[in-house]
Parts: sequence; C-alpha cells; structure tokens
Amino acid sequence: IAGITQAPTSQILAAGRRMTLRCTQDMRHNAMYWYRQDLGLGLRLIHYSNTAGTTGKGEVPDGYSVSRANTDDFPLTLASAVPSQTSVYFCASSPVWGTGELFFGEGSRLTVL
Amino acid sequence: QKEVEQNSGPLSVPEGAIASLNCTYSDRGSQSFFWYRQYSGKSPELIMSIYSNGDKEDGRFTAQLNKASQYVSLLIRDSQPSDSATYLCAVNTNDYKLSFGAGTTVTVRA
Repeated sequence: IAGITQAPTSQILAAGRRMTLRCTQDMRHNAMYWYRQDLGLGLRLIHYSNTAGTTGKGEVPDGYSVSRANTDDFPLTLASAVPSQTSVYFCASSPVWGTGELFFGEGSRLTVL
Repeated sequence: QKEVEQNSGPLSVPEGAIASLNCTYSDRGSQSFFWYRQYSGKSPELIMSIYSNGDKEDGRFTAQLNKASQYVSLLIRDSQPSDSATYLCAVNTNDYKLSFGAGTTVTVRA
C-alpha cells in the first residue's frame, strides 16, 4: 500500500538518550515534513525538506535534526532527548513544496522520562 | 498571537444538524487554506482546500473563505456520528509553510 511509514509507533526514552524517528514514503513526493502535535497547541512544524538534499527549519527546530539523503527517507533525530520533547510526531509529504495538501504517516508517540 | 486560531470547542451537535467551524488567520498574504480531519488516535487527512473567496462545496462539506476578514470556515451539513473528529484549519503562509490551528473537536450525538 502506497503511503508513508513511520517507525517506531511508540517509544519510551530516558532523558539524555539519542533517538531517531524513521520516515519512509513510496509516493516519490519531493517535499517532506516533520510535525509534532501537543494537546492545545496543534501541529507545529519542526523541519522540512523541499527536495532531496535540502532541508529547512520550521517553527520549533531546536533539539532536532534531519537529513534527506534521497527522495524516500526523512529521519528525525533527537540528539539528547528532554521531557519537553514528549509528543506525537507526524511525518508528512507532498508532491511539491509549497502546497498545503499533505499526506501524513500514522505518527510516532514518544515519551521522554 | 498564533498564526491560525480556531474556535476552541468542543462542539456537540445532534445527528442531522449543521456543524459550523470557524478559523481566523493573521498572515494577510496567505493564499491557500485547508481543512484536515483527525480521528482520535489517527493521523490528519485532508478533506477540503479553498483558494478563492466564496464557497466551495464537496458533498456534505462546504468551505467558506473571506480574505478581507481573514476568515475561513467549514460547514458540515446533515452531520453523522462518523463526522465526530477533530477538525484542523491550516493556512499556507507567505513562506509556503503550512501553519495549523489547534483544532476543534466535534461530537455528533446520535
């Protein structure tokens, strides 16, 4: 089934640990995004990539890094997790950059203790 | 001020009624507007997009846009229990990044 696959689905992590959330899409979309969703705050953009090889910062990039080595993969890394990074993380993609018509993965629920 | 504001809800409507969801945005240069639906525990899915002032209808859903008032709304006619979800308003800002509101939770009572 075409779409976006995220892993892990859920993870509990000790503060200070490094964590990478994986995201893979098979739709050959150029643009990819990472959002976090927190109660009362909605979806906030962490990082984005408008095409393979380029990335950019969103609204809340601190503490996170991304890479886009190819079209399909867009991993999000927390170098040293803190409790405020407890959230649900959604990876999304769109055929081209600048459209608001996003396709979302199923999400990764991360708890940092 | 958040870039996108939605009426906080929750909104409870009886089955068959009209649910009305409102959204305002701060970036006057925004050109495209979207409504996403998110069922509990699931990911958001796009249900409507609107780019021009006026109404756009798709089945039981109608999106309304007024750029002068910086206002976009979603009407759900003949509401069904399956419409119970959180509805997210999203706006493409001047730098082409999509900004989301916090969402309005709708419950349709059978």
